[in-house]
Amino acid sequence: GAGVSQTPSNKVTEKGKYVELRCDPISGHTALYWYRQSLGQGPEFLIYFQGTGAADDSGLPNDRFFAVRPEGSVSTLKIQRTERGDSAVYLCASSLTEHTEAFFGQGTRLTVV
Amino acid sequence: SQQGEEDPQALSIQEGENATMNCSYKTSINNLQWYRQNSGRGLVHLILIRSNEREKHSGRLRVTLDTSKKSSSLLITASRAADTASYFCATADVSGGYNKLIFGAGTRLAVHP
Repeated sequence: GAGVSQTPSNKVTEKGKYVELRCDPISGHTALYWYRQSLGQGPEFLIYFQGTGAADDSGLPNDRFFAVRPEGSVSTLKIQRTERGDSAVYLCASSLTEHTEAFFGQGTRLTVV
Repeated sequence: SQQGEEDPQALSIQEGENATMNCSYKTSINNLQWYRQNSGRGLVHLILIRSNEREKHSGRLRVTLDTSKKSSSLLITASRAADTASYFCATADVSGGYNKLIFGAGTRLAVHP
């Protein structure tokens, strides 16, 4: 596809469960970003990958959150022991390099019940 | 935490009118970007202005940047009903990456036919 693809588009999970959110960046984009957007707020930065490595994970709220990008393309955001406060839209973006425009996916709406 | 603030929080206008949204931020920046979001999902990049630029145009959009006041404005001329969306400014500060963006809370624009 031409754009950033995120799956699933919606995820409902029970409190305490583990979830994985997937992001397929635009082909050839080396930089990948995860953001989280709570209702009525702007997106908040979580983590940024350059290639396979996490260049900046300063936005991850705690150690229940982890992200990987093992082959420098697809990335997975993993949340352990989910809490109701984790409910939000999780947005992924990619850019050709870290100095060019970022393109966002449609997001995954996570609801923890 | 949010970098800055947009005002107004909400704006309601008639088709054909101009819409002006303002954004203030706190730190020294590399660039400032404006995004549009429909229905709380994917973000669409509108325009980027670098810290050494003062004004930029793209179609019906005009963005200004005043780094001395740490503020920016987005003007949409001759608005259309299809412009109805939330608009966010986002800054990349000099200490972070180009796309490590800090978003404001957004302005909700409603354009009535």
